[in-house]
Amino acid sequence: EAGVAQSPRYKIIEKRQSVAFWCNPISGHATLYWYQQILGQGPKLLIQFQNNGVVDDSQLPKDRFSAERLKGVDSTLKIQPAKLEDSAVYLCASSLDMGAQYFGPGTRLLVL
Amino acid sequence: GQQLNQSPQSMFIQEGEDVSMNCTSSSIFNTWLWYKQDPGEGPVLLIALYKAGELTSNGRLTAQFGITRKDSFLNISASIPSDVGIYFCAGQLLGAQKLVFGQGTRLTINP
Repeated sequence: EAGVAQSPRYKIIEKRQSVAFWCNPISGHATLYWYQQILGQGPKLLIQFQNNGVVDDSQLPKDRFSAERLKGVDSTLKIQPAKLEDSAVYLCASSLDMGAQYFGPGTRLLVL
Repeated sequence: GQQLNQSPQSMFIQEGEDVSMNCTSSSIFNTWLWYKQDPGEGPVLLIALYKAGELTSNGRLTAQFGITRKDSFLNISASIPSDVGIYFCAGQLLGAQKLVFGQGTRLTINP
């Protein structure tokens, strides 16, 4: 069974530029999550989708971050404009139901 | 918000030693998950616990869901070099899918 796929794996941009990350969850997993992981910390949830609807986006900085999951499968997370403090690993995870979440390899973002 | 206190923050051990780490919280969780994260990779699920008091093993790893539903521990027996990495506990609140993560335990093994 294929795992969660993410791209790109690495991205370097300058502040005020925009960037987008892509995630393809495990086949059949209805729930998709985007996490931000700052160096030395555990992942922090940004947004959770159930199929193509948003379940929880309470910790998403909506002035600059947006995410969509239009067809209930793939998802895109965008940052516009990026700030220095957005440098982090952006992890996508998926789950079948209210249980274990499986993570992708992450996208490492460096904002200069 | 809910917080998980994971300890120790780091461990330096000799190969072959046993390892123990734990997570505690003031909140009640209905699921506990333990993940391992290698450098440059995403967290990999090691063990999932769904019932209070549950004790589950995965090879040399053993984890337990505390009776109070507010804590969990992970033990690794006879550590080997590939056990090096950062271990995270994560708790799922009753009726929610959101995971709350601990701060991680960084395990270093001296050969």
